[in-house]
Amino acid sequence: DTGVSQNPRHKITKRGQNVTFRCDPISEHNRLYWYRQTLGQGPEFLTYFQNEAQLEKSRLLSDRFSAERPKGSFSTLEIQRTEQGDSAMYLCASSLLGTGPRGANVLTFGAGSRLTVL
Amino acid sequence: AQSVAQPEDQVNVAEGNPLTVKCTYSVSGNPYLFWYVQYPNRGLQFLLKYITGDNLVKGSYGFEAEFNKSQTSFHLKKPSALVSDSALYFCARGTSSNTGKLIFGQGTTLQVKP
Repeated sequence: DTGVSQNPRHKITKRGQNVTFRCDPISEHNRLYWYRQTLGQGPEFLTYFQNEAQLEKSRLLSDRFSAERPKGSFSTLEIQRTEQGDSAMYLCASSLLGTGPRGANVLTFGAGSRLTVL
Repeated sequence: AQSVAQPEDQVNVAEGNPLTVKCTYSVSGNPYLFWYVQYPNRGLQFLLKYITGDNLVKGSYGFEAEFNKSQTSFHLKKPSALVSDSALYFCARGTSSNTGKLIFGQGTTLQVKP
């Protein structure tokens, strides 16, 4: 297993176009997360899945954003009608659900998908 | 609201000297605290975490962090810096013990000079 894989690594698109990013997590990990990182800032949580169920979505995730994890393995993040403000690095991470106070998840991150909206 | 703050945008240190990267957290609920490091064109990598127990936490690559409840701090330290430690460091806070939903600080760039 080579870790968390994200594709494409870079995407340049024109305003108004739709884009889709894919994340392949570590195979035995049952949780998958999406974060967004803009220049000079720390990552911001967008959403996460446990197996195929989307358990939480941030208010940052507008109606133009949709994420899926149809079979509990890979996930896609789609942005419809892109805006220049969507330009960012989109990070995917995965983890294995732990239990108890010491079970706090340690995330393994992918290298990210950088989106530039012109 | 739960938050973390990294008061320094950049820390410069000479190779071989001790380094400290600062992090403070808001007093709200149980603090589940993490440090991650980000190298160019690579994903964030986990360094260490504090959940409960010993205040001094040891992590990867010789890093350690001290949880200080009275000062609400979780500073990252290393006794002897390497040039290869130069990277972007993030402090983060978990919103509960059982989720990877993290609130990150804005990051601190560590520059280690030979």
